[in-house]
Amino acid sequence: DAMVIQNPRYQVTQFGKPVTLSCSQTLNHNVMYWYQQKSSQAPKLLFHYYDKDFNNEADTPDNFQSRRPNTSFCFLDIRSPGLGDAAMYLCATSTPRGANYEQFFGPGTRLTVL
Amino acid sequence: AQSVTQPDIHITVSEGASLELRCNYSYGATPYLFWYVQSPGQGLQLLLKYFSGDTLVQGIKGFEAEFKRSQSSFNLRKPSVHWSDAAEYFCAVPNAGNNRKLIWGLGTSLAVNP
Repeated sequence: DAMVIQNPRYQVTQFGKPVTLSCSQTLNHNVMYWYQQKSSQAPKLLFHYYDKDFNNEADTPDNFQSRRPNTSFCFLDIRSPGLGDAAMYLCATSTPRGANYEQFFGPGTRLTVL
Repeated sequence: AQSVTQPDIHITVSEGASLELRCNYSYGATPYLFWYVQSPGQGLQLLLKYFSGDTLVQGIKGFEAEFKRSQSSFNLRKPSVHWSDAAEYFCAVPNAGNNRKLIWGLGTSLAVNP
């Protein structure tokens, strides 16, 4: 089945130690998103790629970076994780169907910062 | 500003009872509308979507939603709830300024009593 895959599902890092989360897709969608979701909250968009065009949200901290080396893969880099960065990180993809961009989500990576 | 309101933060129903989760939106034109479900520790799954046409939309897992333009609402319903329906439910609409992005409601947490 076509899908969005996130690895790892659970990641533990130390305060200040860089960490990379990965996302891959077999849907061949041209848009890929990274969201941060804290407990009992809605997902918060960090940034998204439209093809190779990177779109950062205005309130995304500089601590968060992303790379998209090809259509299938997208990475989230947290340069110096703080305790406040502990959250679920969700990757999603979409492609235009008419004027609609329906988003398809991966299972998420739960990040713990010690 | 565009917004999505889910008035109920938390709802508890008994298994087998009917369910209605409310969603109201503010949008200048008829929007696309989405309902997503998130089981604990999982990513988001699309339950159903409204683009145009029939205002009663059928989704997966026995859910349906009705778009009411006069009330700016897109309420989610299920006639008989199962214990496995316990989850977080999010309503979303595309951002009018950039339809690749979604505006999310705060979510409704559903608990199901046996």
